Amino acid sequence: AQSVTQLGSHVSVSEGALVLLRCNYSSSVPPYLFWYVQYPNQGLQLLLKYTSAATLVKGINGFEAEFKKSETSFHLTKPSAHMSDAAEYFCAVSADYGGSQGNLIFGKGTKLSVKP
Amino acid sequence: DAGVTQSPTHLIKTRGQQVTLRCSPKSGHDTVSWYQQALGQGPQFIFQYYEEEERQRGNFPDRFSGHQFPNYSSELNVNALLLGDSALYLCASSSLGAGGITETQYFGPGTRLLVL
Repeated sequence: AQSVTQLGSHVSVSEGALVLLRCNYSSSVPPYLFWYVQYPNQGLQLLLKYTSAATLVKGINGFEAEFKKSETSFHLTKPSAHMSDAAEYFCAVSADYGGSQGNLIFGKGTKLSVKP
Repeated sequence: DAGVTQSPTHLIKTRGQQVTLRCSPKSGHDTVSWYQQALGQGPQFIFQYYEEEERQRGNFPDRFSGHQFPNYSSELNVNALLLGDSALYLCASSSLGAGGITETQYFGPGTRLLVL
């Protein structure tokens, strides 16, 4: 069965510093992986997705993630944090097979704080 | 182009009552999924509707039921509410592609349900 583990429930960085949010997955088939962001009192917004094409995936707002099969990881990075990046970030894997992006299994989330 | 909309935004109920939450999908989408997000947790998949039928279901009891209308909008019904049903309920819409593949899901802002 597929699962996702996000390491660190809370990450704090200074404005302008590198952002690194960690996600490891477990899947018996080639996974489809996602990062979503949730701002306070809002729904989820898709940042980026890996769907078995390029292993380095670029998303919105300057974020990117690299799929590493050997490490079963899909870490999210951003070179320079901005105050507006403060939010909760969720990594997810699709529980469906064959490329379907439904039935998402989410990690518990990582809350990102950005200090001025 | 309106995204996914949900109503109401907030709701307070007491134990044992029944509740109905509503969702309108993004224009062009024909599939609606519902997720429950408890406080401090990632969203959990409840079920998915397509062509007015439940297509997939997560690990939720029968107290959780749904409906999809011909215009693709959807309702989530929860009977015999428990304190533990307090959560943010998220609706996600997508298209069902060739071979029954669910394409990328887009989430609404959610309905926050409090059960007292």
